[in-house]
Amino acid sequence: NAGVTQTPKFRVLKTGQSMTLLCAQDMNHEYMYWYRQDPGMGLRLIHYSVGEGTTAKGEVPDGYNVSRLKKQNFLLGLESAAPSQTSVYFCASSRRASGNTIYFGEGSWLTVV
Amino acid sequence: GQQLNQSPQSMFIQEGEDVSMNCTSSSIFNTWLWYKQDPGEGPVLLIALYKAGELTSNGRLTAQFGITRKDSFLNISASIPSDVGIYFCAGLGAGGTSYGKLTFGQGTILTVHP
Repeated sequence: NAGVTQTPKFRVLKTGQSMTLLCAQDMNHEYMYWYRQDPGMGLRLIHYSVGEGTTAKGEVPDGYNVSRLKKQNFLLGLESAAPSQTSVYFCASSRRASGNTIYFGEGSWLTVV
Repeated sequence: GQQLNQSPQSMFIQEGEDVSMNCTSSSIFNTWLWYKQDPGEGPVLLIALYKAGELTSNGRLTAQFGITRKDSFLNISASIPSDVGIYFCAGLGAGGTSYGKLTFGQGTILTVHP
């Protein structure tokens, strides 16, 4: 079972470069989320989507953009990477926002030098 | 925005002891969730709570959804070494601009000494 798949798993970027993280889910889930995790700060919500074609800002959206053109995919873009964006990024999805189990991907480790 | 305050930040306990951690919020949530994260992996759901006042158990784990919908606690009884990890609470937004928004606490790092 694939569940929630994130690519790439590891990436090193130079300051100013751009990149896109891809999250794909095969469970027909409506809701998808992007989080970043930094030591001592838990998971902080970057952006989320409550359905195909819709996105909303989370707690720390600056420096990131997202798109949900297809229901199964949620893309996280860094237009001009900064060292402060060095983090572990987690994608998650859920069927609906009523407390159903939310599934997480395995994480993407991003280093910006 | 919504804020979740999770405490304690870390715990060092002996095997066999009971553990308690809690989360409080300034906002109301529809759902409280408790996760565990092992190093190098994503969070894994332990318990989900859907109604105010609900008390739910999963093996040695017990969690409660506070009556005010602004707090939750997680208890682990008779801890074992494999309980080591980071535990997160999470709240699912109740409505308005927070609908569908899943917010996490800062995490509790649990260390169990054999």
